[in-house]
Amino acid sequence: GAGVSQSPSNKVTEKGKDVELRCDPISGHTALYWYRQRLGQGLEFLIYFQGNSAPDKSGLPSDRFSAERTGGSVSTLTIQRTQQEDSAVYLCASSWDRGNQPQHFGDGTRLSIL
Amino acid sequence: GESVGLHLPTLSVQEGDNSIINCAYSNSASDYFIWYKQESGKGPQFIIDIRSNMDKRQGQRVTVLLNKTVKHLSLQIAATQPGDSAVYFCAEKPYGGNTGKLIFGQGTTLQVKP
Repeated sequence: GAGVSQSPSNKVTEKGKDVELRCDPISGHTALYWYRQRLGQGLEFLIYFQGNSAPDKSGLPSDRFSAERTGGSVSTLTIQRTQQEDSAVYLCASSWDRGNQPQHFGDGTRLSIL
Repeated sequence: GESVGLHLPTLSVQEGDNSIINCAYSNSASDYFIWYKQESGKGPQFIIDIRSNMDKRQGQRVTVLLNKTVKHLSLQIAATQPGDSAVYFCAEKPYGGNTGKLIFGQGTTLQVKP
């Protein structure tokens, strides 16, 4: 596709359930990022992938959060035992590499925990 | 700690006027800066970027100015149009480390009055 694709666009789930969010980056982009955006706020960095490895996981808020990337392309962000404070928009971005160049974002997954 | 902040949460301008959105950053080691536009329900859209070895860069109707002495970044939009109404975020990329993460400010809402 032409841009970063994320699915689902919306997800409503009950507290305690696990959720899996998917990101399909721009073809050829080796760097992939996950960010979280709470309502009315800026973006918080979660994790960075270069290829299939994650050299920077410093933004993951707890061990309930994990992510993987396979084949240097699609990435999934998994949140286990969801809590209400996990409610936010989860945004994925990709770029050619981690250098000084723009990251291009998808439209995010809006996650609501009941 | 690291932070990127914006001076004003909301900016209201008349259609056709020029807009200036300001941003202060605290990490003097950052080597790359970027502006994004975010419309409701969408992911951030890249507007313009600038490297730390520059102090000005121009795009189509937009100019970014970087003042490293006072750690200040601004986005100028010429002849503001209703379609420019959105939230604008500045972001910085700290130099070094095996990461390409961006640190975002809280955002400024630009309202364009017809």
